[in-house]
Order: sequence, then structure tokens, then C-alpha cells
Amino acid sequence: QKEVEQDPGPLSVPEGAIVSLNCTYSNSAFQYFMWYRQYSRKGPELLMYTYSSGNKEDGRFTAQVDKSSKYISLFIRDSQPSDSATYLCAMSGDNQGGKLIFGQGTELSVKP
Amino acid sequence: GAVVSQHPSWVICKSGTSVKIECRSLDFQATTMFWYRQFPKQSLMLMATSNEGSKATYEQGVEKDKFLINHASLTLSTLTVTSAHPEDSSFYICSAGESSYQETQYFGPGTRLLVL
Repeated sequence: QKEVEQDPGPLSVPEGAIVSLNCTYSNSAFQYFMWYRQYSRKGPELLMYTYSSGNKEDGRFTAQVDKSSKYISLFIRDSQPSDSATYLCAMSGDNQGGKLIFGQGTELSVKP
Repeated sequence: GAVVSQHPSWVICKSGTSVKIECRSLDFQATTMFWYRQFPKQSLMLMATSNEGSKATYEQGVEKDKFLINHASLTLSTLTVTSAHPEDSSFYICSAGESSYQETQYFGPGTRLLVL
């Protein structure tokens, strides 16, 4: 079993839809949770960073962390074609030496 | 936000040659940088952790003599793929963390390597 599980998709939605992306994990020591967006042939771009449980909102993006369920989510409201990319969840803990453990990435396509 | 650059952005080389990739943190100091490789439609695979002034730490299965890493300063790490072969063709990405917030990593744009 992988430490971090993420449905690779692909996920296709119409423009304006609310998108929900999720990851589950098995290591209860993880405390730092991130979402990255990666466009084709580009490096990942940090979207959201959350420490421990809770919600964080930034514009159209909301990140949620539920440590009791070992489950994290990223919501995208009013999705746009420019949101089409691969979204990677990543997480780490104090005993990881700064290393990030990535999910497989979910490929999202927003159709106009 | 913090900016990480990589050079070159793409390289084509002949089998048997060595290729050096540079990773720079442009507006912050990074005591730790990470090197990843990524195959098409797959996630990032951590190759090694590069620490300024000390030897890199390689992940299991990564040949340290083939992938030479040097982290000579707080803003520069280099990855040298020695005696490259076609199976080394991949997308190589580095990341760097600000010294006080290592969990937040910023990624470079990646280097696409094609070995003929």
C-alpha cells in the first residue's frame, strides 16, 4: 500500500463546475499538507499549504485536511479551462527531513 | 513567491556523454534541495536530497555514482548524469525549501533530457 493514494483520473468537468480532488494517506505523523498544480512539461507550482487539520481558502481554491480520517481535499470553485492541469497532493512530517511524499496526481480537464 | 530556476530547460545528448543540470534558488537561501525525476503521466520520484556543504542522500535504487549531486552554495545545486543512456531520458525537476520552512518547497521548471 502506498503512503499516499490519489485517484489519477482523468477527471473531466464543464467550465464553472466545482471540482473536488482528494488524497488519503496512511502515516499519522504527517502534519504538513500541500497541493501542487503541474501543467504539461512544467514544474509543479505550489497552490495551497496547510498545517495540521482545518480549512484554508485562497480565491477559488479551498484546501481541507481531516487528520482523524487521514483525508485531504482540494476544492476548485467556478472552474476554468486554465485550471486544466495535473494536481498533486504532497505531505510531510517532522521526521521526514523535509522530504515530500507525493500522490500520483489527478489529471483534470475543464471543458469550455 | 520564491523562485527556483533550472538550466538547461532541455538537452539532447549522445549516449555515453555526461550532462550537468543546474538548480538555483533566486531570491532565497536553501540549505536543502531535492532532485526528482518524472516519467510521462507519472508522479515525481525523489532521487536524492542535496544538502549544502555535505554529501547528498540518495533514495533506494538511485545510483550515486551515476547521478552526481553537488550543493556548493546556499543557492545552487547541480545534478550530473554521468555516461547517460537512453533509459536516463526523463524530466528532471529540482525543488528547494526556505531554510526555516522546509516543508514548503518550490519547484524549478524542470529539465527535459533526451539521450540518443
